[in-house]
Amino acid sequence: AQSVTQLDSQVPVFEEAPVELRCNYSSSVSVYLFWYVQYPNQGLQLLLKYLSGSTLVKGINGFEAEFNKSQTSFHLRKPSVHISDTAEYFCAVSLSGGYNKLIFGAGTRLAVHP
Amino acid sequence: DVKVTQSSRYLVKRTGEKVFLECVQDMDHENMFWYRQDPGLGLRLIYFSYDVKMKEKGDIPEGYSVSREKKERFSLILESASTNQTSMYLCASSPQQGYNSPLHFGNGTRLTVT
Repeated sequence: AQSVTQLDSQVPVFEEAPVELRCNYSSSVSVYLFWYVQYPNQGLQLLLKYLSGSTLVKGINGFEAEFNKSQTSFHLRKPSVHISDTAEYFCAVSLSGGYNKLIFGAGTRLAVHP
Repeated sequence: DVKVTQSSRYLVKRTGEKVFLECVQDMDHENMFWYRQDPGLGLRLIYFSYDVKMKEKGDIPEGYSVSREKKERFSLILESASTNQTSMYLCASSPQQGYNSPLHFGNGTRLTVT
């Protein structure tokens, strides 16, 4: 069975500092990988996705993630965060060939302080 | 832009009531999903549908049912609400073409069962 582990439930960081949100997954078959962001009182929106090809994926709002197959990881990074990046971030996997059925991690709450 | 609309932002119901959560999407998507979101657990899939009148159980279907009579509408039904169903419920949709298409989420319905 597939599973997703987000290693940090909360990440506090100061404005303009770099940040990394960690995600590990387990699967015996090929997967697609996603990061979603949820701002307060809103639904989730897609930040970026890895389907195939280059292991470094760039997304919206200056975020990027790197797929590491040997470590089964898909960590999210941003070199300099803003107050507006304060949100909850979810890592998710779906099976290749499935009905887009996503399995989500528990989420990481990013709190950016001035 | 895809719009997924959930009919209620907040709902308060009593134990034992029958509850309907409605979701409508305007992009002719084949796939629709119902997730519940709980702190520390992330999003868990309740049911999904890949076509009109078709439905599949997700990871936590117990106590829920769904209805998809029209392509654009996907309803989640709590036959007899219980306090452990107090949660945030998120509806999502995606096109069937391309199993790697991102999900488009509604803003959620926060249900409280007293």
